[in-house]
Amino acid sequence: DAMVIQNPRYQVTQFGKPVTLSCSQTLNHNVMYWYQQKSSQAPKLLFHYYDKDFNNEADTPDNFQSRRPNTSFCFLDIRSPGLGDAAMYLCATSGLATYRGKGETQYFGPGTRLLVL
Amino acid sequence: DQQVKQNSPSLSVQEGRISILNCDYTNSMFDYFLWYKKYPAEGPTFLISISSIKDKNEDGRFTVFLNKSAKHLSLHIVPSQPGDSAVYFCAASANNQGGKLIFGQGTELSVKP
Repeated sequence: DAMVIQNPRYQVTQFGKPVTLSCSQTLNHNVMYWYQQKSSQAPKLLFHYYDKDFNNEADTPDNFQSRRPNTSFCFLDIRSPGLGDAAMYLCATSGLATYRGKGETQYFGPGTRLLVL
Repeated sequence: DQQVKQNSPSLSVQEGRISILNCDYTNSMFDYFLWYKKYPAEGPTFLISISSIKDKNEDGRFTVFLNKSAKHLSLHIVPSQPGDSAVYFCAASANNQGGKLIFGQGTELSVKP
C-alpha cells in the first residue's frame, strides 16, 4: 500500500544533542511537509519541499533544518534541541493539485514523538 | 494569531445520536476546508473536505457545512458510532499557498455505547 512512513516513532534525545527524524513516501508526491504538534495544540507547519525547492515558514526557528535527497525521503534536523522542542513531528505529502490550491488533501505519516531530556 | 479555531476541546455523544463538531476561521482568503480524524499513535487521516464555492458536502455518515458569511464550518456525524471516537481537526487552505494547511486545535470526540 502506498503510504507515508516515519522513523523512529519515538525519539529521546538530550538537551543540545542534534537529532534527525526521517520520513519516506511511496506515493511519488512532489510535495513533502513537516509539521510540529505540541500537546493539545494545532499542528503547525515548519517548512515544505516542492521537489527540491525548500520553503521555510517565516516563524520556524533556525534550529530546525530539512533535507530532501530524493523524491522519496525527507529529513528533519534539529541542531540543538531544547526542552521546548519536545513535540510530535508529523510528515505529510501531497500531489501537485493540492500544491496549486486545487483541493485534494495531504497524506500524513504516523508521526515521531520527540522527548528532550 | 490563530486563524482556525475549534473552541470545544472535547465532545461526548451517545452511540446512534448526532455528533456536531464546530470550527471557526478568520481569514477570508481561505477557499478550501478539510476535516481530519486522528487516532492515538497515528497520523491524521483525511475525512472530508469542502470548497468555498459550496455550502454542503456529504459522504456517507459525514456531512460538512460551510457558512462563509459567518466564517464557520461544522462536521455532522450521523449516526455516531463508538469507532468514531478520535480527535477531529479542522484545517483550511488558501489558493497559491503551496497547499499549506492551517489547523485548529482539535476536538476530542467520545462516542459512548
